[in-house]
Amino acid sequence: GESVGLHLPTLSVQEGDNSIINCAYSNSASDYFIWYKQESGKGPQFIIDIRSNMDKRQGQRVTVLLNKTVKHLSLQIAATQPGDSAVYFCAENIKGAQKLVFGQGTRLTINP
Amino acid sequence: EADIYQTPRYLVIGTGKKITLECSQTMGHDKMYWYQQDPGMELHLIHYSYGVNSTEKGDLSSESTVSRIRTEHFPLTLESARPSHTSQYLCASSEFRGGGTDTQYFGPGTRLTVL
Repeated sequence: GESVGLHLPTLSVQEGDNSIINCAYSNSASDYFIWYKQESGKGPQFIIDIRSNMDKRQGQRVTVLLNKTVKHLSLQIAATQPGDSAVYFCAENIKGAQKLVFGQGTRLTINP
Repeated sequence: EADIYQTPRYLVIGTGKKITLECSQTMGHDKMYWYQQDPGMELHLIHYSYGVNSTEKGDLSSESTVSRIRTEHFPLTLESARPSHTSQYLCASSEFRGGGTDTQYFGPGTRLTVL
């Protein structure tokens, strides 16, 4: 079946460093991608999205990169803070499917 | 910030009980969804709705049922709860924008434990 997967289930970085969370997707028909952040005991929170006609999009301290050639998506968080500790999910919309497919999730831990 | 609410936040019940998990959104979104999620794991779509009187089954088979009588309300019901239903249930909604770019906004979730 179709899947969105993450390369690493856990990632630890030092506070203040930049972090990169990766995501591989398998469906070349996917045309829209979203990164969500989920803190313990809460629902996923929208961070940033990108359409397939773009290869980069920036937000506040976050950047999403899309490489359609290798079907790879990444989320870069600049100058990580303790509040960035969470599980991060990528999700893809397969064109015509009208629903999102979520990946496994990466747990990001910020070390003081 | 999305205005989507779920009640109860936590529920512990015995096997065989009937339960309804409530979800409401005040954004007027047409589309609503229910996901099941085990701790730290991926989300699995169990039901969704395109609008009033529309309900569809998701990718993960579920013994639950849903209804959509009003735009803002999308309750999920388990007729007879079992321990295998223990999980977190997340509700989401999105505004239909076409072109497959509907951003889903999530509620806080209901943590269900069936003893």
